[in-house]
Formats: sequence, C-alpha cells, structure tokens
Amino acid sequence: AQSVTQPDIHITVSEGASLELRCNYSYGATPYLFWYVQSPGQGLQLLLKYFSGDTLVQGIKGFEAEFKRSQSSFNLRKPSVHWSDAAEYFCAVGPFSYIPTFGRGTSLIVHP
Amino acid sequence: EAQVTQNPRYLITVTGKKLTVTCSQNMNHEYMSWYRQDPGLGLRQIYYSMNVEVTDKGDVPEGYKVSRKEKRNFPLILESPSPNQTSLYFCASSNRDSSWYFGPGTRLTVT
Repeated sequence: AQSVTQPDIHITVSEGASLELRCNYSYGATPYLFWYVQSPGQGLQLLLKYFSGDTLVQGIKGFEAEFKRSQSSFNLRKPSVHWSDAAEYFCAVGPFSYIPTFGRGTSLIVHP
Repeated sequence: EAQVTQNPRYLITVTGKKLTVTCSQNMNHEYMSWYRQDPGLGLRQIYYSMNVEVTDKGDVPEGYKVSRKEKRNFPLILESPSPNQTSLYFCASSNRDSSWYFGPGTRLTVT
C-alpha cells in the first residue's frame, strides 16, 4: 500500500522568508511524486512532479522540490514567499497505475 | 481551454433524495477520479476509472456509485444521501504521465 505523510498541519511564515513543506511517502517501488496547491475556494493545481532523473525538480510559481530516496521524502521549497502563496498544499504519491494518494495537506499562512 | 467541469458547484439536499454530480473533461484523458475533501482528512478517493466501462473503488466508496459510459464523462451518483456525505467533492482527470487536472469542486450539504 502507498501512503503520504505531511507532518505539518499549519505552517506560518513571514512574507519574503524561505519556505519548506515536508512530505514523506511510503511506496514499494519507484514513486511518482507530486505537489499540488489549492487556493481558497479553488480546485487543486499541479505545482510540480517527479518521475525519474534529476532529483531536484522545478515547478511553477518559483517552487522546487527535492526527491531523497534514502529519506523517503519529497520536500517542497521556495526561497522567498509572497502573500499570494497562502494556500493549502498537498503532496501525492502515485503508483504504476497512475492513481495518486494524497497527503492530508499543509496550510500555509503568510504574515505581512 | 483544457478543463474539468463539474455541476452543480453548490447543492443543498435532504436525506434520501437521489442526486447526481456531473463531471466532464475535454482533454481526452483515460483516467478519471472522484475525491471528497473534509477538514483534517485531506483528499480521500471515492472511485476511479482507468477507461470507459472500467471503474474501481477508492478508499471511501460506501454510499456512492459511478459510471463511465463515455470517455469524457464520469458522474458521481448518491442514491440515498446522508448527512455524513456533506463534503466538498472534486473530480479529476489524467493522461498517462500522471498529471492530474482537477475540477473546481462541488460543495454538497445533506440535511
């Protein structure tokens, strides 16, 4: 069985500060890994994905994530957070059948 | 424009009154899925489909039905809704590279 853990329910950062959202996964084979963002009242939007190759992946809106197989982690980072980044962030892992399992989400609060 | 559409966006109904939430995608995706989102529980998969006439249960299928008669449509059916099905529902679709596209959500309230 596959699973995703996002240890932080809420994260609060100041605008302009750096950000790291944690994601740990459990999956028996090489995982497909994703980060999605959900702005208030919206559906989910794909930020970035990892399938293979370079373990540091770049996404939209200035986000990046690093796959670390030894730690079963896929943490999301951004060097400087903007107020518009306040949202819910979901990590997901997908099997070969392409159906992802989502974490419970991390709510990002940005202080001015 | 590539998109997943859901209707209705908001629905208030009473216990036991059958309802259908429609979902349609215009990207010719093979895979489609329904999720419900509840506070503190994140996204939980209800049903998914890997092709026309191929559907399977997700993590929380009880009380729901789906059908996939056409590639573009994947309706979610609640035969006898109950208050514990009050939730925010998302439909999503994907091609083989696993990039899932989500609809805007349907907020359902069952009284």
